[in-house]
Amino acid sequence: GEDVEQSLFLSVREGDSSVINCTYTDSSSTYLYWYKQEPGAGLQLLTYIFSNMDMKQDQRLTVLLNKKDKHLSLRIADTQTGDSAIYFCAESGGYSSASKIIFGSGTRLSIRP
Amino acid sequence: EAEVAQSPRYKITEKSQAVAFWCDPISGHATLYWYRQILGQGPELLVQFQDESVVDDSQLPKDRFSAERLKGVDSTLKIQPAELGDSAMYLCASSSNVVYFNEQFFGPGTRLTVL
Repeated sequence: GEDVEQSLFLSVREGDSSVINCTYTDSSSTYLYWYKQEPGAGLQLLTYIFSNMDMKQDQRLTVLLNKKDKHLSLRIADTQTGDSAIYFCAESGGYSSASKIIFGSGTRLSIRP
Repeated sequence: EAEVAQSPRYKITEKSQAVAFWCDPISGHATLYWYRQILGQGPELLVQFQDESVVDDSQLPKDRFSAERLKGVDSTLKIQPAELGDSAMYLCASSSNVVYFNEQFFGPGTRLTVL
């Protein structure tokens, strides 16, 4: 079945860039997502990329997609303490509400002063 | 700003007891999802409703779990009897049926601890 994998932890210094990586197995993935989960809260959609795109930039966030290698990354520029959270990579085979979203296990981002 | 509401936020129960969780989606959202998130893992879909109909419950342990959305608005997820392995965060999400993009909006979750 479909699988999404990501490293469990990342520690960066405040002000540096954070890069969170993810690999997925479903070659028919249409949308790839990054969600953020703060302690005690639900998931919040940060950004998404359509499978025919290589890159998407949204303020401090840059998403890179290598469809050939099934690799997705999220870069957060100028990382701040408020960026401390768990970041989930996810994919779905379509954009409609009927398409199931498969989540990775999450990468916990911690910020060093 | 419209939000998905869930209650209770925390629930502690003993094994073999019954528990129920409630979710109120964003007004007008036809699709409602229940997810289970075990500590250290990503959310896993348990059941998906389109209005009052179940469209996917393939991962719902039907011997002990049930879900309903009688009027196509709010929803209840029940576990009876609860087992130790059911300890997890139960997340509800909703989405509208827009054609272009399906963004799921998540509630804060109910953290269940089974003793």
